[in-house]
Amino acid sequence: DAGVIQSPRHEVTEMGQEVTLRCKPISGHDYLFWYRQTMMRGLELLIYFNNNVPIDDSGMPEDRFSAKMPNASFSTLKIQPSEPRDSAVYFCASSNGLANYNEQFFGPGTRLTVL
Amino acid sequence: EDQVTQSPEALRLQEGESSSLNCSYTVSGLRGLFWYRQDPGKGPEFLFTLYSAGEEKEKERLKATLTKKESFLHITAPKPEDSATYLCAVQTNTGGFKTIFGAGTRLFVKA
Repeated sequence: DAGVIQSPRHEVTEMGQEVTLRCKPISGHDYLFWYRQTMMRGLELLIYFNNNVPIDDSGMPEDRFSAKMPNASFSTLKIQPSEPRDSAVYFCASSNGLANYNEQFFGPGTRLTVL
Repeated sequence: EDQVTQSPEALRLQEGESSSLNCSYTVSGLRGLFWYRQDPGKGPEFLFTLYSAGEEKEKERLKATLTKKESFLHITAPKPEDSATYLCAVQTNTGGFKTIFGAGTRLFVKA
């Protein structure tokens, strides 16, 4: 398996622009997590899905952030409009709830820079 | 509020010099405690899960232990390739699969 796939790997945009981050989880995994990592705040859970349904979005910082999972093999995290303080590395992770829900497999991350 | 605190922030060791990393937690009810390793520019990589006080897990030079208030990651005779950031995380009984991460300990092992 190729592991969790994220795109793009790097994104540079200007303040006010819409940003869409993409994630393909490991096939067969029924949990998908979106995290944000910064030097100041560390790794923070934004939202997670189970069987494509959002379960906990309490970590989503503002209404500017939204996440969708239209099917088991694809998820998006959208920021509209983007602001400089959104600059961070965004990770997607997936896990198999039946086998070992504790082990989350992380993607390589998307480094977002908002100018 | 559920909290995870890791210490030290950074640790510099000579190759072969054993040491321990600490993870203290304050949660309403612990479901599981996890250790991850993160290399620069990469996503975290799962190492261990601990569920109850007294439990221990080992993998190569790493050994994780758990008490009711903290967890230790013991590194025996480290090598330069063990250099990474080690992250501790918890899930609570009331939080579902919500995972709370500590800030991490950056480990540097010099040859």
